[in-house]
Amino acid sequence: AQSVTQPDIHITVSEGASLELRCNYSYGATPYLFWYVQSPGQGLQLLLKYFSGDTLVQGIKGFEAEFKRSQSSFNLRKPSVHWSDAAEYFCAVGERNTGFQKLVFGTGTRLLVSP
Amino acid sequence: ETGVTQTPRHLVMGMTNKKSLKCEQHLGHNAMYWYKQSAKKPLELMFVYNFKEQTENNSVPSRFSPECPNSSHLFLHLHTLQPEDSALYLCASSYNTGELFFGEGSRLTVL
Repeated sequence: AQSVTQPDIHITVSEGASLELRCNYSYGATPYLFWYVQSPGQGLQLLLKYFSGDTLVQGIKGFEAEFKRSQSSFNLRKPSVHWSDAAEYFCAVGERNTGFQKLVFGTGTRLLVSP
Repeated sequence: ETGVTQTPRHLVMGMTNKKSLKCEQHLGHNAMYWYKQSAKKPLELMFVYNFKEQTENNSVPSRFSPECPNSSHLFLHLHTLQPEDSALYLCASSYNTGELFFGEGSRLTVL
């Protein structure tokens, strides 16, 4: 069965500093991986996704993520964090043969941005 | 504005009440979803509808009853709920690409 682990419940980063959020997945076949963000009082929004090809994928809002099969990881990065990035971030894994209708989400990492 | 609208945004109900959550999408998507979001737990997929047909029921208790009259509307009918059902209920829609468009959620409190 698929599973996703986000080991960090909370992370605090200073504004302007770099960010890396960790995600590890467990899946037997080629994973299809996603990062979503949830701002306070909002639903989730897709930041980026990895299906195949280049293992470094670019997303919206200046985020990128790198797929590392050897480490079963799909970490999210941003070179310079802005105060508006404070939110909760969710990693997810899905299967193409279900039309991606059964995404499995991690527990999320809450990002706090300090001045 | 994501194109997915949920009402009500907040709902308080007793354990003997019957209420419904409503979701509407204006994106032309074929699939609609109900998710439950509780503190410190992963997002839980409850139901999936694809072209109005239910394709997934993730072992959800029968006190939650979904209804999808067409591809744009999705309801979650609630009756005899328990306090542990208090959570944020998120509706989403998609084209089966993995990009889900979520509504802002309905915050449910069961007393």
